[in-house]
Amino acid sequence: GAVVSQHPSRVICKSGTSVKIECRSLDFQATTMFWYRQFPKQSLMLMATSNEGSKATYEQGVEKDKFLINHASLTLSTLTVTSAHPEDSSFYICSARDRSYTEAFFGQGTRLTVV
Amino acid sequence: AQKVTQAQTEISVVEKEDVTLDCVYETRDTTYYLFWYKQPPSGELVFLIRRNSFDEQNEISGRYSWNFQKSTSSFNFTITASQVVDSAVYFCALSERINKFYFGSGTKLNVKP
Repeated sequence: GAVVSQHPSRVICKSGTSVKIECRSLDFQATTMFWYRQFPKQSLMLMATSNEGSKATYEQGVEKDKFLINHASLTLSTLTVTSAHPEDSSFYICSARDRSYTEAFFGQGTRLTVV
Repeated sequence: AQKVTQAQTEISVVEKEDVTLDCVYETRDTTYYLFWYKQPPSGELVFLIRRNSFDEQNEISGRYSWNFQKSTSSFNFTITASQVVDSAVYFCALSERINKFYFGSGTKLNVKP
């Protein structure tokens, strides 16, 4: 089946630094990718919707200047957490939808710890 | 408005017991998809099933079965003869036209030996 690869799976960074997370669709073209965040023992909440070649659409309450999303190609979307703080520590997971709109696939997730 | 409700926060059973995880959803779309995912401690989402709104047939896959009832907007998940390896957090999710997903709050299942 289709695979979405997310990298890195785990990252620890210092407060104030930026971290980039990649989400790749390996065997299909993804016109739309979604980024979710999951705090410990909570559900997954959509952060933003990323469309190839255009600006991402952010959900209410998500700071677009802090969570930079780039979807420059049909197989790659990146999420950059800028000036990370300990409260940004979370599990981030991406999802990619194929062009036929029949399937959506999730990456393995990235566990971010800001110290 | 919350679209997916999983009222059971945590369930504990003893191995070999049957267990049902409840899921109630809300949508105004006539075309939608319902999903169940398993999330082990490692965090990745393990896809279990997808159901579209036009297919109300129940499904059985090994020890797993799903009951989809549009009349009550429910999509319940039953594990028969539970095993310790079934311990995980289970999420029910709704997607309208394979768009963004709305996840329930999850049910943590503890299966004790």
